[in-house]
Amino acid sequence: NAGVTQTPKFRVLKTGQSMTLLCAQDMNHEYMYWYRQDPGMGLRLIHYSVGEGTTAKGEVPDGYNVSRLKKQNFLLGLESAAPSQTSVYFCASSSSYGYTFGSGTRLTVV
Amino acid sequence: DAKTTQPPSMDCAEGRAANLPCNHSTISGNEYVYWYRQIHSQGPQYIIHGLKNNETNEMASLIITEDRKSSTLILPHATLRDTAVYYCIVRSQGSGGGADGLTFGKGTHLIIQP
Repeated sequence: NAGVTQTPKFRVLKTGQSMTLLCAQDMNHEYMYWYRQDPGMGLRLIHYSVGEGTTAKGEVPDGYNVSRLKKQNFLLGLESAAPSQTSVYFCASSSSYGYTFGSGTRLTVV
Repeated sequence: DAKTTQPPSMDCAEGRAANLPCNHSTISGNEYVYWYRQIHSQGPQYIIHGLKNNETNEMASLIITEDRKSSTLILPHATLRDTAVYYCIVRSQGSGGGADGLTFGKGTHLIIQP
């Protein structure tokens, strides 16, 4: 099993550009999440989804949008990237007992 | 979710047992203690979790005090590959317990010395 796969792994954007990060899981998990991690900090929750077609805001949702059109995929969008969104982004999915994280996307906004 | 307190960093000699403490004095009766670790820039990895009994798996042991206000993660024979940030997280389990994600603090940076 691949678990949780994130694409791309690295990306450099110019301020004002848009992009979409893709997260795919093959474990049939209902719940999926997007986190960001800044240097020296723990992970902070951006948005999450408790099932296909549903999304909700986490701790730091501003500047991001998400969609969960298929159960296995959770997309994170940046409509107009800002330097403050330079970070490492982690996707995760969970069952009742545990969370599985992807390997991360390192995004730099210049 | 109950708040947790962990030391910011710890050292341990290779081959020795690493004991990582966590205080969670406001834990409620239905909340579990979870441990995750993050090896440099990788995604967090699940280690172990427990409610009130001590737990052991192939990676580690979890010792929870009788009053459940603190716990200790034990890596029995630490290796250099165990150098990572370790997160202690308290939350409820079940259909509603995982819905809104895990809350990560800054964790403990464990450094295994050769």
